[in-house]
Amino acid sequence: DAGVIQSPRHEVTEMGQEVTLRCKPISGHNSLFWYRQTMMRGLELLIYFNNNVPIDDSGMPEDRFSAKMPNASFSTLKIQPSEPRDSAVYFCASSLLQGASGYTFGSGTRLTVV
Amino acid sequence: KNEVEQSPQNLTAQEGEFITINCSYSVGISALHWLQQHPGGGIVSLFMLSSGKKKHGRLIATINIQEKHSSLHITASHPRDSAVYICAGRGGADGLTFGKGTHLIIQP
Repeated sequence: DAGVIQSPRHEVTEMGQEVTLRCKPISGHNSLFWYRQTMMRGLELLIYFNNNVPIDDSGMPEDRFSAKMPNASFSTLKIQPSEPRDSAVYFCASSLLQGASGYTFGSGTRLTVV
Repeated sequence: KNEVEQSPQNLTAQEGEFITINCSYSVGISALHWLQQHPGGGIVSLFMLSSGKKKHGRLIATINIQEKHSSLHITASHPRDSAVYICAGRGGADGLTFGKGTHLIIQP
């Protein structure tokens, strides 16, 4: 398996633009997580899905953020409109339910909003 | 709310030294993960613990459930072990709560 695949690796965008981050989890994993990492706050859970259903989105900072998982092999995290304070590294991770086998992280998307 | 506290925040040691990183966690956490993040930014899962001790190569992770404490040890440390080591707890929900990380530098 190629692991968790995220795209793009880097994204630079202007304030106000829409940003879409993509994630392909490991085949067979039925939990998917979006995390954000900043210098100030470290790693934080944004949202996670079990069997494509959003379970907990309490970490999503505000309505500008949305996430979808239309099928078991694809998820998106969208920011609209983007702001400079959204600049961070966004990680996607997947696992079997309840994280029984541990988590596999993608390489992350480094987002810079100017 | 689940909480995870890690120490030390920064650690510099000489090659060959025995390294210990500590993690304390709150009542709601049932499983503890140790992660490694290299300067390139990728995150690798090292261990998942709910009891006892696990070993992989020069890395050893232990957990004391009564004291709600876990340690990550590195024996015969090497410069390539230089990375950020992150302790993370999983509670009733499946998402992780992360410690602030320990920046480890091993000097040759």
